[in-house]
Amino acid sequence: GENVEQHPSTLSVQEGDSAVIKCTYSDSASNYFPWYKQELGKRPQLIIDIRSNVGEKKDQRIAVTLNKTAKHFSLHITETQPEDSAVYFCAGGGADGLTFGKGTHLIIQP
Amino acid sequence: NAGVTQTPKFQVLKTGQSMTLQCAQDMNHNSMYWYRQDPGMGLRLIYYSASEGTTDKGEVPNGYNVSRLNKREFSLRLESAAPSQTSVYFCASSRGTYRDSPYGYTFGSGTRLTVV
Repeated sequence: GENVEQHPSTLSVQEGDSAVIKCTYSDSASNYFPWYKQELGKRPQLIIDIRSNVGEKKDQRIAVTLNKTAKHFSLHITETQPEDSAVYFCAGGGADGLTFGKGTHLIIQP
Repeated sequence: NAGVTQTPKFQVLKTGQSMTLQCAQDMNHNSMYWYRQDPGMGLRLIYYSASEGTTDKGEVPNGYNVSRLNKREFSLRLESAAPSQTSVYFCASSRGTYRDSPYGYTFGSGTRLTVV
């Protein structure tokens, strides 16, 4: 089955700076890569996703890039704000549904 | 439009007790999933159902059973609860099936289960 590795586990950045979270996957058949944001005590919510026929996708301050050859994808958040503080999960879509990374706790320092 | 509804939100069980976690979606989604979330472990798939009448094991199925009652409802049963099953359980649904064209999941609000 699919195996998704996510780094770093904790990321602390100054407000206004950029944050980058990286994931790798193992199953070359995976064709769907979503990112979820989870605030403390709440459900994960989809923030952006990318399919394997696309290399990059942007939505305001958030962007995701995908390198199929290297089997890695990244989440980029620019101009970080206090409300960006949360745990972020990447996931890879294989034959058995989505496999999630272990999460990155993003801390925005004032 | 409630999305994905889970009940109960909180539950405390004694070791050996049984219970069923309920999940229902009103988005006419085909696929439904049960995940558990433990600190530092991310979300791990317990069981999934691509369509009404079908279920498949995920990464951590031991100690659990599921029923896809109809297109809307997907329940998770713990027959004999153990402390290792203390976790937060999330139900999710998606429009497409993972085999064909997966789509993003919509998650329920979760059930926080403690087994003592």
